[in-house]
Amino acid sequence: AQSVSQHNHHVILSEAASLELGCNYSYGGTVNLFWYVQYPGQHLQLLLKYFSGDPLVKGIKGFEAEFIKSKFSFNLRKPSVQWSDTAEYFCAVRGTSGTYKYIFGTGTRLKVLA
Amino acid sequence: EPEVTQTPSHQVTQMGQEVILRCVPISNHLYFYWYRQILGQKVEFLVSFYNNEISEKSEIFDDQFSVERPDGSNFTLKIRSTKLEDSAMYFCASSWGTGGAYEQYFGPGTRLTVT
Repeated sequence: AQSVSQHNHHVILSEAASLELGCNYSYGGTVNLFWYVQYPGQHLQLLLKYFSGDPLVKGIKGFEAEFIKSKFSFNLRKPSVQWSDTAEYFCAVRGTSGTYKYIFGTGTRLKVLA
Repeated sequence: EPEVTQTPSHQVTQMGQEVILRCVPISNHLYFYWYRQILGQKVEFLVSFYNNEISEKSEIFDDQFSVERPDGSNFTLKIRSTKLEDSAMYFCASSWGTGGAYEQYFGPGTRLTVT
């Protein structure tokens, strides 16, 4: 079955701490991978995406993610979080042929303490 | 930067009533989608739409749901007879293409509350 797992549902960090949010997927075939962020009351905003090539992708606001095909993982990282990173983070996977729907994880709610 | 917009931001309706959720996709996009997120659960795909036809739908998208692009700008989701379990945040998305380098752009969502 196609699915995305985000193991951390709630994360609380202090400012300047490093962040890593886990994302594992189950999907038969080639995939595109995404991380979206949703700030309170706002729309889903794309942080970064992986389509092909370099498995280490850099996104906006200092975020990066690494695609490890052998582990079916696409973990999100940021070396030093800020209070403004408080938001909900969603990992999503999409097939590259036949179906283009996104399959989302359950989300990780991040709270950064000032 | 162009954005997907959705109205209303919050809709309260009584069980059994019809609701129409509206979306204005990004103007040159060709593919349109609806997703929903029940509180505390994951965002789930409902339907995709291209060239005035449904191109894919999930098992959630039953006969109570319909989509339409009534004019050149709006994309609507209609729920004919709402149930309590339809209470959720509904997200509209659009993309210029599918697969490859084409990502979906999401709107801010409409929170539907069925009482």
